[in-house]
Amino acid sequence: GESVGLHLPTLSVQEGDNSIINCAYSNSASDYFIWYKQESGKGPQFIIDIRSNMDKRQGQRVTVLLNKTVKHLSLQIAATQPGDSAVYFCAETPGGDDKIIFGKGTRLHILP
Amino acid sequence: DTAVSQTPKYLVTQMGNDKSIKCEQNLGHDTMYWYKQDSKKFLKIMFSYNNKELIINETVPNRFSPKSPDKAHLNLHINSLELGDSAVYFCASSQLAGYGEQFFGPGTRLTVL
Repeated sequence: GESVGLHLPTLSVQEGDNSIINCAYSNSASDYFIWYKQESGKGPQFIIDIRSNMDKRQGQRVTVLLNKTVKHLSLQIAATQPGDSAVYFCAETPGGDDKIIFGKGTRLHILP
Repeated sequence: DTAVSQTPKYLVTQMGNDKSIKCEQNLGHDTMYWYKQDSKKFLKIMFSYNNKELIINETVPNRFSPKSPDKAHLNLHINSLELGDSAVYFCASSQLAGYGEQFFGPGTRLTVL
């Protein structure tokens, strides 16, 4: 079965506020984690990744945090914009495996 | 230029029919994938090919047969279509299997009536 899950299926955030999307994983052997964004009618698009030897990685307006102790991954989006409306997926690669396992997804809804 | 393209974008067919979905990537990647996304947006890997060799086959019914004629193409043929096959099918590619960014195609929405 799947080992990656999300706490909230839908997250509503005021435009301009910061968004935090959470993800729990259960496979302690996973050594690579990725966040994808999927807009309506499109394929998933890579946002940011992190390896298990790191606990934080920053991109443009996005930060991924990894807490291996509690097997938790989060995506922080700064100053959320209408264009951030999408479904966000966390995904993991179990160490030594060739596949990526996707979580269930969280829909981010931006309030005007 | 489209990095990963799929055809057709929409496919509506009757139960029991056989259909194919085509995928091409122009990124020079070694690895290609097929994913199935159900109505609840759950995205699950079906197959992965690396340099035309099958490396992942995720307990998919043998009615589904992937074919990779070359590194840039990965097609999906489905025999005897069933209602439960209705979903959006995504093709993707990456340079490394399992690691690094995967580039997804626009998806093929399959509806089985």
